[in-house]
Amino acid sequence: QVQLQESGPGLVKPSEPLSLRCTVSGGSTRSFSWSWIRQPPGKGLEWIGYIYDSGSPNYNPSLKSRVSISLDTSKNQFSLNLSSLTTADTAVYYCARLRSAGAYFFDCWGQGTLVTVSS
Amino acid sequence: SYELTQPPSVSVSPGQTAKITCSGDALPKRYANWYQQRPGQAPVLVIFKDSERPSGIPERFSGSSSGTTVTLTISGVQAEDEADYYCQSADSSDTFVFGTGTKVTVL
Repeated sequence: QVQLQESGPGLVKPSEPLSLRCTVSGGSTRSFSWSWIRQPPGKGLEWIGYIYDSGSPNYNPSLKSRVSISLDTSKNQFSLNLSSLTTADTAVYYCARLRSAGAYFFDCWGQGTLVTVSS
Repeated sequence: SYELTQPPSVSVSPGQTAKITCSGDALPKRYANWYQQRPGQAPVLVIFKDSERPSGIPERFSGSSSGTTVTLTISGVQAEDEADYYCQSADSSDTFVFGTGTKVTVL
C-alpha cells in the first residue's frame, strides 16, 4: 500500500518562498507521475502541477510563473517550490499520485499539511 | 480557463439516493473522476474514468456520463457518506481541474 507524507514549514512570511517535500513509502516513485494539490481553508481543490519520472513537469497556468516541482527517485521523494508567497497561498497542501489509465486521476493522497502565510 | 460546475449542496435522507452533477464543456471528450472528502481528511477517489469504482469503494457509489454532464450517484445513502464531493477532469494540454465541490448532507 503506497503512502505519501508531506513535510515542510507550517508558517511562511509574505514574499518568502515555500518548500514542501513529499515522501513516498510502500512503493517506488519510478514510472509514476506525482502531483501537488492545494485547498485554501473552507474552499475547493486546486491542482498545482505534476512531474513524471524523467519527464518535464507540467504546471497550472495560473501558478506557472511561481512554481517548480522536482523528483528525487533515489530518495523516493518529490518536492514543491512556490515563490513570492501572499496570504492567498494559505492552504492545505496535498501531495498525490497521478495515474494514467485512459483517464488521469489521483489515486493516493497524503494527509495534507497546512501552510499559513502571515507576518 | 476550463471550469467544472457542481451544485453547492445536496441534501438526502438515509437510505435514499443522492445525485451530484458536474458540468463542463470538454466532458464529452474527457473522462471525469470523483473524490469524497470528509471533514478534516484528504480526498479519496471514489469513481474514475466516468464510471469505474476503485477497489474498496462500496457498490452504492456509481458514475455516469451524458454529453457535457457527469453524475455521481450514491444509492442507499448512509450517514458516513456525508462529505464534500469533487469532480475532476483534464483539459487538452494535460493540465487538471477540479469541480467547484458539492456538500452532501444526510438529513
